[in-house]
Order: sequence, then C-alpha cells, then structure tokens
Amino acid sequence: EAGVAQSPRYKIIEKRQSVAFWCNPISGHATLYWYQQILGQGPKLLIQFQNNGVVDDSQLPKDRFSAERLKGVDSTLKIQPAKLEDSAVYLCASSSTGAYGYTFGSGTRLTVV
Amino acid sequence: KQEVTQIPAALSVPEGENLVLNCSFTDSAIYNLQWFRQDPGKGLTSLLLIQSSQREQTSGRLNASLDKSSGRSTLYIAASQPGDSATYLCAVGGDQGGKLIFGQGTELSVKP
Repeated sequence: EAGVAQSPRYKIIEKRQSVAFWCNPISGHATLYWYQQILGQGPKLLIQFQNNGVVDDSQLPKDRFSAERLKGVDSTLKIQPAKLEDSAVYLCASSSTGAYGYTFGSGTRLTVV
Repeated sequence: KQEVTQIPAALSVPEGENLVLNCSFTDSAIYNLQWFRQDPGKGLTSLLLIQSSQREQTSGRLNASLDKSSGRSTLYIAASQPGDSATYLCAVGGDQGGKLIFGQGTELSVKP
C-alpha cells in the first residue's frame, strides 16, 4: 500500500511571498488532515477534511492560510503572504475511519526568511 | 480546552535499560490515546492506540497504559536498543472524528 505523498520536501521563501504544499492521501481514505509542527513542539491540527468537505478549520489562520481538497482526493495548503512564524514542518495525514489507521506523510519543511 | 504534556522532554539511556515515558492530559473525556514515533526528517508512525475503555495495549517490547481518571498514560519500552532512538509523541483523540491533540514529545537517545 502506498503511503501519504507530500511535496515539496523542503521550501525556503522570503516573508510576504506565497507558497503551496500538495498532499496525496492513501487511496480510499476519506479523512485528510493538515498539521503544523513548529520545531520542538507537537503537531497542531490546521484543517480536517471529510471527503471534500471541511470538518474542522478552527485553528487555521484564515487571513493567510487556505486549503482545498479537490474531488475528495488530493489536497493543497496555501500560505499567502508568509510570515517568519510560519516556519515549520507541514504534515499531511489520512485515515479511513476517524482516529483509526492514521498515516502521516513525511512532511514539507518550510523556512521563511 | 484539552492540553497534553509529556515529561521528560529528553532522555538518554544506555542500551538494554527499561524505560518509561510519561504523558498527561487535562480533560479525561477522551475517545482514545495514541503513541507515535517520529524519526528526524520523517513523518509520524503510529505505535499503539488505546481506546478510552481500555487500560493498556502491547506490541513487542512496547506497552502503553491509560488511566483516564488521573489523566495519565505511560509508554514502557523494554530492553531499549539504539534503534529506539527517536522522538515519541503522545496524542489524545477527543471524538470519533479523528482530530488529535499532541504533546510536545520526548526525545529519546539510546547509547550503545
């Protein structure tokens, strides 16, 4: 079974620029999550999709972050404009039934300079 | 608001030792609790999942316990090996939806 695919692996941008991350979940997984992990901290949920609908985006900074999940499969997370404090690893995860079968991708490490 | 805390933040032990990692949470109304392992530059790998109705789960040299009433979980690693070196994260699930609230992790180093 293929894992959760994320790209790019690394990205360095200047503050105020925009950036986008891509995630391809495990085939058939209805639930997709984006987590933000700042160095030295545990991951924090940004947004959760069930198929292509948003279940929870309460911690997504909506003035600069946006996310979509097209046709209930792939997802993109965008930051525009980026701030220094957005430097973090952005992890995508998917699951078939809520908390069970959680599978994480390797993440995208973003550095904002 | 649920908060998850892990102690210690870092731990270094010689190979062969048995060790315990601690996790505490403030709200006992949890759906489940998971322990993950994170290697540098990698994603998270689920190690053990304990349902709220369960007291413990075991997998190989790993044993995780859950005490909801006291808001605590422990991960016991028997006969530690250098390959166990990684960051271990505890995460609490509050409902069936799957959202997880993580602790900050314990960075484990097992020295040969």
